[in-house]
Amino acid sequence: AQSVTQLDSQVPVFEEAPVELRCNYSSSVSVYLFWYVQYPNQGLQLLLKYLSGSTLVESINGFEAEFNKSQTSFHLRKPSVHISDTAEYFCAVSDVTSGTYKYIFGTGTRLKVLA
Amino acid sequence: DGGITQSPKYLFRKEGQNVTLSCEQNLNHDAMYWYRQDPGQGLRLIYYSQIVNDFQKGDIAEGYSVSREKKESFPLTVTSAQKNPTAFYLCASTPAGDRDGYTFGSGTRLTVV
Repeated sequence: AQSVTQLDSQVPVFEEAPVELRCNYSSSVSVYLFWYVQYPNQGLQLLLKYLSGSTLVESINGFEAEFNKSQTSFHLRKPSVHISDTAEYFCAVSDVTSGTYKYIFGTGTRLKVLA
Repeated sequence: DGGITQSPKYLFRKEGQNVTLSCEQNLNHDAMYWYRQDPGQGLRLIYYSQIVNDFQKGDIAEGYSVSREKKESFPLTVTSAQKNPTAFYLCASTPAGDRDGYTFGSGTRLTVV
């Protein structure tokens, strides 16, 4: 069964510093990959997704993620973080071949941006 | 604006009571999902439905029940059989297929008192 690993439960980083949030998934079958962001006491918002094509995908607020099939990874990066990026980030994977349209979520990484 | 509405935002329940969490969407999405979120455990799937009048158990369905009588509505009942119901519950929906990502509601925080 598919699984998603987010190794870092918390990542503190100073404002304007770069950050990488790591995500690995278990299977190399055909997958769709997603990053979501959650602010306190709110639902999750889609940040970016990889379906096919270019392995580098970008969001409108400066985040990017790179799909690496050989390493089964989909790490999220931002070159310069802001205080407002403080939130919890979830990686999710969908097994395209399963036909169930279910996503498997990682346990989340709490990003804390320090002034 | 289209979206998913979950109500209530906060819910308190006495032990032994059943409670129902509401989830309504006006996005014309076919599939709907219920997740439970606990600190450090990510999101765990309770139930999902891909079409009206049909639903499937997720990974942690015990102690929960759902119905899907209308496309736009997918209520979740937390029964007294659920041993540890205190959690944050999230409803999501997506069009048919899994390319578009889920749209999530703002969640219901259930506390057993």
